[in-house]
This record gives sequence, structure tokens and C-alpha cells, in this order.
Amino acid sequence: AQKVTQAQTEISVVEKEDVTLDCVYETRDTTYYLFWYKQPPSGELVFLIRRNSFDEQNEISGRYSWNFQKSTSSFNFTITASQVVDSAVYFCALNRGDSNYQLIWGAGTKLIIKP
Amino acid sequence: DADVTQTPRNRITKTGKRIMLECSQTKGHDRMYWYRQDPGLGLRLIYYSFDVKDINKGEISDGYSVSRQAQAKFSLSLESAIPNQTALYFCATSVGPSSYNEQFFGPGTRLTVL
Repeated sequence: AQKVTQAQTEISVVEKEDVTLDCVYETRDTTYYLFWYKQPPSGELVFLIRRNSFDEQNEISGRYSWNFQKSTSSFNFTITASQVVDSAVYFCALNRGDSNYQLIWGAGTKLIIKP
Repeated sequence: DADVTQTPRNRITKTGKRIMLECSQTKGHDRMYWYRQDPGLGLRLIYYSFDVKDINKGEISDGYSVSRQAQAKFSLSLESAIPNQTALYFCATSVGPSSYNEQFFGPGTRLTVL
């Protein structure tokens, strides 16, 4: 069975601190895809990144970075020098390589950045 | 204009009423999805459609039905609403056939069943 666990229900940090959101997944597939989405207080869901199972390179996009480690089945998300605008709920999701399967979502981590 | 739109954005209804939530997209995507979001549970898939003639049940389809009227339109109905269907509902689209492709979401419909 496939599963995504985001053990951190809520994280609160002061602005400018670095923060890491954890995502641990379970799958028996060799081909799969991992995603992160952001849901700001306004409610919409915004795609941030995807990673396929054959690409373990870390990715950096501005203050955001992602660490994919197959050995620990983790796909963690780090925000460097956090800002108040980063406050949101962040979701990690997993999809199988077969095109007929659907996203399995984690429960989300609520990130609060205090000024 | 938004690529994925949902109507209504907010709805309050009473137990037993039939409710329809509508979703339209201008992205030209063939795949469409309906999710519900409850606090602490993430998103759960209700129904999905790969094209107009292909509709599939998701994780929590009981009490819901859907209609794919056209490639661009996908409606969700609650035949007889009950209070535990109070939730935030999202429509999403994606490009087929690869599951590599990300989903694009509408703004959500907040439904309250009294």
C-alpha cells in the first residue's frame, strides 16, 4: 500500500529562521513521483515541485530546497530565511508511475511564521 | 481569468437537500478530479475522470455522484446532503496520460450542511 506521512502537524518559527518540513512515503513501486503543494491562508492549492523516483538530485529554488533520499523514503522541504508570506499549509503527495493511479496525499503541515 | 473555476464559492444548505457543485476549466486538460478537504486529513479523492466517457470512483465516493458534461466541465452532486459532508471541496485538472504531471486546482467551494 502507498502512504504519505507528514508527522509535523504544525510548526511555528520566527521570521528569518530556517525550517524543514518532513515527508516520509511508503511504496513498493520502483517508478513513482513525489510532489509538494502549498495552501496559503487564502485557500488555493499551488504546485511547488515534483520529483521522479530516478532523480535523487536535490533541488533549490530561491529560498526553497528539497532533499529527496530514497534510502530513507523521505522528500523533505526546507525554507531558508523564512518570511511571513511563507505561512501556509504544505502538502506532500505521492503518485505511482502507472498513469491510471491517483495522488496519495499527506495530512499536511501548517507552517506559521511569526514576525 | 482563472484557469479552473468553481461555483458556488460558498454554500450553506440543510440536511436532505440536493446540491450541485460545478467546475469549469479553460486549460484544455483531459483529466479532472473532485476532492474534499477536512482539517487534519489532507485531501481525499471523491471522483475522477480521464475523459468525457471515463468516470471513476475515488477513495470516498459514497453519497456523491458526478457528471462530465464536456471536456471542460465536471460537476459534483450530493444527492441528499448530510452534516458530515461539511467540508472544503476542490476541483482539479491535469494533463494525461502521465501521472508525472501536476494537478491544477480551483479556488475551492466551502460547503456547510446544517
